[in-house]
Amino acid sequence: DAKTTQPTSMDCAEGRAANLPCNHSTISGNEYVYWYRQIHSQGPQYIIHGLKNNETNEMASLIITEDRKSSTLILPHATLRDTAVYYCIVPGQKLVFGTGTRLLVSP
Amino acid sequence: DTGVSQDPRHKITKRGQNVTFRCDPISEHNRLYWYRQTLGQGPEFLTYFQNEAQLEKSRLLSDRFSAERPKGSFSTLEIQRTEQGDSAMYLCASSLESLWGGYEQFFGPGTRLTVL
Repeated sequence: DAKTTQPTSMDCAEGRAANLPCNHSTISGNEYVYWYRQIHSQGPQYIIHGLKNNETNEMASLIITEDRKSSTLILPHATLRDTAVYYCIVPGQKLVFGTGTRLLVSP
Repeated sequence: DTGVSQDPRHKITKRGQNVTFRCDPISEHNRLYWYRQTLGQGPEFLTYFQNEAQLEKSRLLSDRFSAERPKGSFSTLEIQRTEQGDSAMYLCASSLESLWGGYEQFFGPGTRLTVL
């Protein structure tokens, strides 16, 4: 499984964009990048995934660099309910969660 | 509610007792996964089923742990002779197998186990 590196924690003001980075320099050509989040006391929740093109859904946007060695998850207008741990995962045979980025959205 | 459900949500037991957890996946999902999560860590993979077949088990799954999915629907995870180190959140997830090996898994709320 390709290893991912994320900052331990980030802060964001409510209503502003939250940009969560992830490095995955050992990713191979056919491996996807997945993002999950886990709100306190809940199970993880799938957010989005991508291969090489930028992706957008109702929850977030995913920007993958051209060399695919890093990506950024963007929450365009963060709310207090987006406070959570965000996991960037490059699955090999299975999902391997690291410790993620703890995002705190403040009023 | 058509999501993944787990029962019980909380379990407190004494060391040495056996416990069993149940997971009901999303009905059309053929894959079911079990994870364990301790405080401050991300979920760790334990095992997964495709239909009723258990296809992979982590080294974390000692011989005191057993999981079943007898009819390819709900699953149970049993821990025998519980130890204090088994205290954790046990998460279940399900997914629909796709040709490209998609990893969009839907998680339940988890069962929090406390071993005294």
